[in-house]
Amino acid sequence: EPEVTQTPSHQVTQMGQEVILRCVPISNHLYFYWYRQILGQKVEFLVSFYNNEISEKSEIFDDQFSVERPDGSNFTLKIRSTKLEDSAMYFCASSPDSLTGELFFGEGSRLTVL
Amino acid sequence: ILNVEQSPQSLHVQEGDSTNFTCSFPSSNFYALHWYRWETAKSPEALFVMTLNGDEKKKGRISATLNTKEGYSYLYIKGSQPEDSATYLCARDNFGNEKLTFGTGTRLTIIP
Repeated sequence: EPEVTQTPSHQVTQMGQEVILRCVPISNHLYFYWYRQILGQKVEFLVSFYNNEISEKSEIFDDQFSVERPDGSNFTLKIRSTKLEDSAMYFCASSPDSLTGELFFGEGSRLTVL
Repeated sequence: ILNVEQSPQSLHVQEGDSTNFTCSFPSSNFYALHWYRWETAKSPEALFVMTLNGDEKKKGRISATLNTKEGYSYLYIKGSQPEDSATYLCARDNFGNEKLTFGTGTRLTIIP
């Protein structure tokens, strides 16, 4: 069964360092998302991406964050200069279209900023 | 209700018993309500996406109902099994753009 895969599963980084989280969405899907969950808090929306551009982003998704689909298969989230409060589980998701509404999530990448 | 709220936060249920839990959400500007099942160390898995008031959906022993006028959805599990142990998340989609607002989840533990 097709699935969304994410790497790395866990990354530890120093504050101020750049981090890239990678995702391979399901191959025929057209809509891509990043969500995150800070420990003990709700899962929260970061950004949605369609047709090679950002379609929606939350207030969290500031200039330190960027997304890219560099080669038609990978979908990356970059954090330029990590802060302690960026420590969270980051989930990539994809969807075949915006009509069914169902999101297919990866297992998440845990980011720990020291 | 401004946020998506779920209750209870956690629940222990004897194997074989049936159970249910609640998701409450703002009823204005509603588009869809999602339910996801999230086992530890795995990815959240979609159970249902519901859009119409009065919707009832069923997948095996799990079913869900939706009341968009009063802003709540119930998830029911009949005859709980150990493999039902997971966190059950609900999320509201306001505009059909899949920018989901999640609840905190209900953590269900089935006691053998």
